[in-house]
Amino acid sequence: GAGVSQSPRYKVAKRGQDVALRCDPISGHVSLFWYQQALGQGPEFLTYFQNEAQLDKSGLPSDRFFAERPEGSVSTLKIQRTQQEDSAVYLCASSLGGRDQPQHFGDGTRLSIL
Amino acid sequence: GQNIDQPTEMTATEGAIVQINCTYQTSGFNGLFWYQQHAGEAPTFLSYNVLDGLEEKGRFSSFLSRSKGYSYLLLKELQMKDSASYLCAVGSWGKLQFGAGTQVVVTP
Repeated sequence: GAGVSQSPRYKVAKRGQDVALRCDPISGHVSLFWYQQALGQGPEFLTYFQNEAQLDKSGLPSDRFFAERPEGSVSTLKIQRTQQEDSAVYLCASSLGGRDQPQHFGDGTRLSIL
Repeated sequence: GQNIDQPTEMTATEGAIVQINCTYQTSGFNGLFWYQQHAGEAPTFLSYNVLDGLEEKGRFSSFLSRSKGYSYLLLKELQMKDSASYLCAVGSWGKLQFGAGTQVVVTP
């Protein structure tokens, strides 16, 4: 079946521009997660949704980062006034929900800020 | 917090066995996950331990000791396609905290 789909696959933006990254989770998955992965590092947690409710946003680096999942399916991660340190791979994952369910990841969006 | 440590890189020969260790310091977690990640691709789920002991899934096995703050992933009968980064992650109510990953290089 279809996995987690993320778009765009690559995004190049100039410093100061706003960007929006999209995640389409596996159908029926109630939990959705965003992670940021720097080169040579493991993914770092950003935020977590259960259906449309954002239950944890403790990992968002600053108030320039904003995520939403208005209908409990597709999610968007928005970064305002981008800075060079925002350059990374942004991974989205979804799961059936519950504490022991494995997360299934998309291929990520590679964001480069010039 | 929960510092998660794993070796940066390991090299092994095709057909051999490799054990990737992971140590962590945590105040509490639900389970420990292992993921495989090829360069430029999504992490893919390999195994999960809730209870202490060994979980076997084909060529891959994972072990957990909560009292020692220790886990390992065992890869048997290594194949060239196993060359990848292996990520240890502690799970707490859905949220995963990852180590930096261990790059495994399989040589002919």
